[in-house]
Amino acid sequence: DAGITQSPRHKVTETGTPVTLRCHQTENHRYMYWYRQDPGHGLRLIHYSYGVKDTDKGEVSDGYSVSRSKTEDFLLTLESATSSQTSVYFCAIRSGANTEAFFGQGTRLTVV
Amino acid sequence: TQLLEQSPQFLSIQEGENLTVYCNSSSVFSSLQWYRQEPGEGPVLLVTVVTGGEVKKLKRLTFQFGDARKDSSLHITAAQPGDTGLYLCAGLHTGRRALTFGSGTRLQVQP
Repeated sequence: DAGITQSPRHKVTETGTPVTLRCHQTENHRYMYWYRQDPGHGLRLIHYSYGVKDTDKGEVSDGYSVSRSKTEDFLLTLESATSSQTSVYFCAIRSGANTEAFFGQGTRLTVV
Repeated sequence: TQLLEQSPQFLSIQEGENLTVYCNSSSVFSSLQWYRQEPGEGPVLLVTVVTGGEVKKLKRLTFQFGDARKDSSLHITAAQPGDTGLYLCAGLHTGRRALTFGSGTRLQVQP
């Protein structure tokens, strides 16, 4: 199995609170991604990173920020959680173009 | 947003039947991948296709990339209950760094 772990695996939080999800890899892969998965939508890209301190927005980036200060860690922050951000969040890593994406096991976030 | 449309969204069939899942877009991909996801887990790669017209076989699964590299199909022969899961196609557009995923096809194979 690819060395990618997400924490926490489950979280319940209140509307308006900040939340940070962590993705940690041991593969030294260049690319790291955060996706959210909701019924009927497949996986939608939130943000991604193509190197330390190099990040870019995906299709559903509003309300989210990311940071990558080390190759192995990619943090996703919900600055002020809303109920629409209740979802399952997946982190993925890739080494380069046309290569396999390895996914973490997901974080189930519920905003009440 | 460059969309990847998958069809059908849901498929419930009996063991031994054949099925085809389609993945279509109006834009060209440099490569296309198919993933399978089981409940509570992240997606796992089945195949990558990069050449227009390419056909790849993985046991009972046959993957085809369209000649124009805008579409792909996944055909399963003699489906088994172990094939049950969510099948996702994902395309990489030339010059892009992130995969675009389709909405998925949820397959249930009844014994």
